[in-house]
Amino acid sequence: AQSVTQLDSQVPVFEEAPVELRCNYSSSVSVYLFWYVQYPNQGLQLLLKYLSGSTLVKGINGFEAEFNKSQTSFHLRKPSVHISDTAEYFCAVSDLGGSNYKLTFGKGTLLTVNP
Amino acid sequence: GAVVSQHPSRVICKSGTSVKIECRSLDFQATTMFWYRQFPKQSLMLMATSNEGSKATYEQGVEKDKFLINHASLTLSTLTVTSAHPEDSSFYICSAFTGVNYGYTFGSGTRLTVV
Repeated sequence: AQSVTQLDSQVPVFEEAPVELRCNYSSSVSVYLFWYVQYPNQGLQLLLKYLSGSTLVKGINGFEAEFNKSQTSFHLRKPSVHISDTAEYFCAVSDLGGSNYKLTFGKGTLLTVNP
Repeated sequence: GAVVSQHPSRVICKSGTSVKIECRSLDFQATTMFWYRQFPKQSLMLMATSNEGSKATYEQGVEKDKFLINHASLTLSTLTVTSAHPEDSSFYICSAFTGVNYGYTFGSGTRLTVV
C-alpha cells in the first residue's frame, strides 16, 4: 500500500516570496510522483512529475520539485510566487501498474498568495 | 495532446432521479479511466477504476449499484448516479491513464447538486 502526507493544509505567503509545499510518501515498491494544481471548480492540472532520472524536476509556471528517496519526500518549490498561484496543490503517488495504475493523493495544500 | 473532456460541468437534479456524467478522451485511447469524488476543501477520493470492455473495479465502501460506471469504448467512460439523494451532491472528476510517460489526464469536473 502507498500513502501520501502533505504536512501543511494551508500555506499563506506574500507575493514574490519563495514557497515550499511539503510532501512525504510511503510505499513498499518504487513509485512515481506527481504534483497537481487545482483552481476552484476545476479539474487537476499537472505541474510536474518524477518518473526516473534526475531527482530535480522542473515543471510549468516556474515550479520545481526534488525527489529524495532517503527521506521519501517530494517537496514542491517556487522561488517567487504570484497572486495567480493561489490554488490547491495535491501531491500524488503511483506504482504505475502494480495497483492497476491507481493514483493516491495527499489531502492537499491550499496556497494563498497575498499582495 | 492527451485531453479529457468531461460533461456536464454542472448539473442540478431532483432527488430520486438519475444523472449521467460523460468523460471522453479526445486525442488518445484510454484503456483505463478513474472516477473520483471530491468533497469541499478535501482531497480526491477514488470511487472506481474502469477498464475498457470489462466491469469497473469499485473501491471499498462505494455502492456499485448506485454509481454505475460504463467504459464501453476506448474513448468514453460514463458515471451514472442512480436515484440521487442530496448526500450525493459533490464534485465528480474523471481521469485517464495516458501511459507511462504522460501519466494521468483529468477532466474538468462535474458539480452535481441534488435538490
